Amino acid sequence: GQQLNQSPQSMFIQEGEDVSMNCTSSSIFNTWLWYKQDPGEGPVLLIALYKAGELTSNGRLTAQFGITRKDSFLNISASIPSDVGIYFCAGQLSGGYQKVTFGTGTKLQVIP
Amino acid sequence: NAGVTQTPKFQVLKTGQSMTLQCAQDMNHNSMYWYRQDPGMGLRLIYYSASEGTTDKGEVPNGYNVSRLNKREFSLRLESAAPSQTSVYFCASSERAGTQYFGPGTRLTVL
Repeated sequence: GQQLNQSPQSMFIQEGEDVSMNCTSSSIFNTWLWYKQDPGEGPVLLIALYKAGELTSNGRLTAQFGITRKDSFLNISASIPSDVGIYFCAGQLSGGYQKVTFGTGTKLQVIP
Repeated sequence: NAGVTQTPKFQVLKTGQSMTLQCAQDMNHNSMYWYRQDPGMGLRLIYYSASEGTTDKGEVPNGYNVSRLNKREFSLRLESAAPSQTSVYFCASSERAGTQYFGPGTRLTVL
């Protein structure tokens, strides 16, 4: 099945640093989403993007819907220890059943 | 308001045994989903239910069956478990495009 390419696969950063990760697809999507998964938990929606070029913030998180509709970016500013987890991008084209394609995840570790 | 709940949280099965994973949501969502998560593979869709009374196959449906019991509940059944089905299983529900709400997961080991 189709999967999105996320990079990097994992990263170690110092507390207080900014973080950037991205997601690319060979197909276009009409909706891009970013989820975070804490260890032992289910993914939680962070940001949803519905329009090409859209830039949306949620606290220290900022995400962008690429203008080609084939990519998306997530930035985290001033990282803190609780930012640790796996970040998944997801894309949806359309469809009555709202099928979503997930990326393989970026594992983030923050060094205090 | 519990959101999406799943039972059990952990399960160990022997090859060939059967079991049903339960999922319920209290958000009045029409759509519900079952995913499996394996290391390095992200989330893969097993089955989904667009609305009460309908179910359809996702990417990896082989070896599984589902039942949309009512609007709240969506169960996943393994008729004859195999070691390849060792995974973490997540149920999710949604109303709006893409904004899925996930349960805490069921960690299944098949020996």
